[in-house]
Amino acid sequence: GQNIDQPTEMTATEGAIVQINCTYQTSGFNGLFWYQQHAGEAPTFLSYNVLDGLEEKGRFSSFLSRSKGYSYLLLKELQMKDSASYLCAVRPSGYGQNFVFGPGTRLSVLP
Amino acid sequence: GAVVSQHPSWVICKSGTSVKIECRSLDFQATTMFWYRQFPKQSLMLMATSNEGSKATYEQGVEKDKFLINHASLTLSTLTVTSAHPEDSSFYICSAILAGGPDGELFFGEGSRLTVL
Repeated sequence: GQNIDQPTEMTATEGAIVQINCTYQTSGFNGLFWYQQHAGEAPTFLSYNVLDGLEEKGRFSSFLSRSKGYSYLLLKELQMKDSASYLCAVRPSGYGQNFVFGPGTRLSVLP
Repeated sequence: GAVVSQHPSWVICKSGTSVKIECRSLDFQATTMFWYRQFPKQSLMLMATSNEGSKATYEQGVEKDKFLINHASLTLSTLTVTSAHPEDSSFYICSAILAGGPDGELFFGEGSRLTVL
């Protein structure tokens, strides 16, 4: 089967750094994606990893270890607007195929 | 960048009526679109994969006669909730993949919040 785990909720302080972990067990692997979703809105794409290592995009970085079935999203210099749900998603099979989504991590950024 | 538009954003209907939700890829052709359902504080649950020119592929447990999906063109897929009941109230989101895009990420519509009275 397909299984993706993330912490349900996290809380951090404005200006801090937070790491959101994701572990996965899927029938195949063809990329891991992170999406941000604000309440009542659709998800927006944050990052993509298909090879091991760290991908950096401004305040956001994402790491992947395929051998461990593990990824994390690192958010630096947290801002209040970063309060949202963060979804980890794996594409088990080929390009153009569906993703499997994790339960999402609700991040609350406090002043 | 690629844009997926979904309409309507909000809809309230009476129990027993049918509701149609449209999903359009505005500046690219999408041979495949995906329809999700999301309950409050939960993740996305795939309902079906919509394929242009052919029948949709439904996930286990999703009633194909209740959730009718039509993908008549490369830029439009529709989801019709037939004989809606209060338990169908949910947030419905469509997505599409930009063919040839660098990562093959999913682009999501704005979502449609359905409330059945």
